Amino acid sequence: QKEVEQNSGPLSVPEGAIASLNCTYSDRGSQSFFWYRQYSGKSPELIMSIYSNGDKEDGRFTAQLNKASQYVSLLIRDSQPSDSATYLCAVNLYSGGYQKVTFGIGTKLQVIP
Amino acid sequence: EADIYQTPRYLVIGTGKKITLECSQTMGHDKMYWYQQDPGMELHLIHYSYGVNSTEKGDLSSESTVSRIRTEHFPLTLESARPSHTSQYLCASRGQGRYNSPLHFGNGTRLTVT
Repeated sequence: QKEVEQNSGPLSVPEGAIASLNCTYSDRGSQSFFWYRQYSGKSPELIMSIYSNGDKEDGRFTAQLNKASQYVSLLIRDSQPSDSATYLCAVNLYSGGYQKVTFGIGTKLQVIP
Repeated sequence: EADIYQTPRYLVIGTGKKITLECSQTMGHDKMYWYQQDPGMELHLIHYSYGVNSTEKGDLSSESTVSRIRTEHFPLTLESARPSHTSQYLCASRGQGRYNSPLHFGNGTRLTVT
């Protein structure tokens, strides 16, 4: 089982719709979760961090965390063509005495005008 | 916002050459990381450091080596480049004493070995 799992997509949504991106993780002890956006050929850029169960909202983005189900999601409201990118779920894992950030494969989002 | 710089942005080099990819950050972050990413594929951690003179290998086996002589500098070296090393290399750092802080990435170095 991979430490962080995402559906690679592509996920296609029409402009203005809500895009829902999902991620599961294997380490029950994980405490920190991050969503990054990566445009083709660019480096990842942080969208949101989430540490507690529940929802965290920032503009059009809402991150949701359910530690009991080991599940984290990202909702993008009023999707825009500029949101078309790969969205990476990242989890802070404790391994071998160190804390490391492990990434999922990423979900490719396509927003259709 | 973290300032983290990678040079060069692009590098095309022949097989057998020794190369060093530079990474520097100006935020005083103690934790630094190197990830490798092939086009359309996931990021793989290849090296990390928790401070000066501290380096560890990551999850993906790599023939590269790293050093951490100064807090702000975390270079990656390939002693003899091979075509299989062709990839994008991303350097990242995170805040000192803040284990839960997110990673901040540099712009990456796209390496092509011919």
